[in-house]
Amino acid sequence: EVQLLESGGGLVQPGGSLRLSCAASRFAFSAYAMTWVRQAPGKGLEWVSSISGSGVSTYYADSLKGRFTISRDNSKNTLYLQMNSLRAEDTAVYYCAKEFLGAASDWGQGTLVTVSS
Amino acid sequence: EIVLTQSPGTLSLSPGERATLSCRASQSVSKNYLAWYQQKPGQAPRLLIYAASSRATGIPDRFSGSGSGTDFTLTISRLEPEDFAVYYCQQYGSSPWTFGQGTKVEIK
Repeated sequence: EVQLLESGGGLVQPGGSLRLSCAASRFAFSAYAMTWVRQAPGKGLEWVSSISGSGVSTYYADSLKGRFTISRDNSKNTLYLQMNSLRAEDTAVYYCAKEFLGAASDWGQGTLVTVSS
Repeated sequence: EIVLTQSPGTLSLSPGERATLSCRASQSVSKNYLAWYQQKPGQAPRLLIYAASSRATGIPDRFSGSGSGTDFTLTISRLEPEDFAVYYCQQYGSSPWTFGQGTKVEIK
């Protein structure tokens, strides 16, 4: 069974930075594209960013370009999301997900990011 | 950006009834790359359907997806108690991926 374990969330002040990690196991990590999706409290799902299996290709939601950076370390089976210049509206649970034929087939349990002074 | 509009916002049904959820796209979804997810309170979403009509691994056959182009449907043939949840559609045919706003299926 695929396992995805996010970490790195927490309370951060507006303008601050945070790096989320997603440790993957029980599948061939480098063979799969990965994705970050977030969910603000009481709201719907919002796609954040995706990265190809090799890490060469990355994609971002237009509203986040320039502030967030997705990356991966295939030697460590770990996905990352570097978040800079954080705003109150970035407050959300951040999920990492494994892609299967483009859809998000397996999800982690999520990590909560709270941006507040 | 493709906007997905789900209807209805809330569906009130009884166990054993049929649920029909709609997802309409503002433009054609490339290759019918449309997925459906189920989310229960406090849990991560779960993939039900991908490519509009293919069931994900382990998903019961009471869940079915149909449609193409701009109009897609998720049907739950007979609601089980564990099916009461929020359902989201998502297109992944063109960047940026987008999600619908969700349909809540609640017990009547």
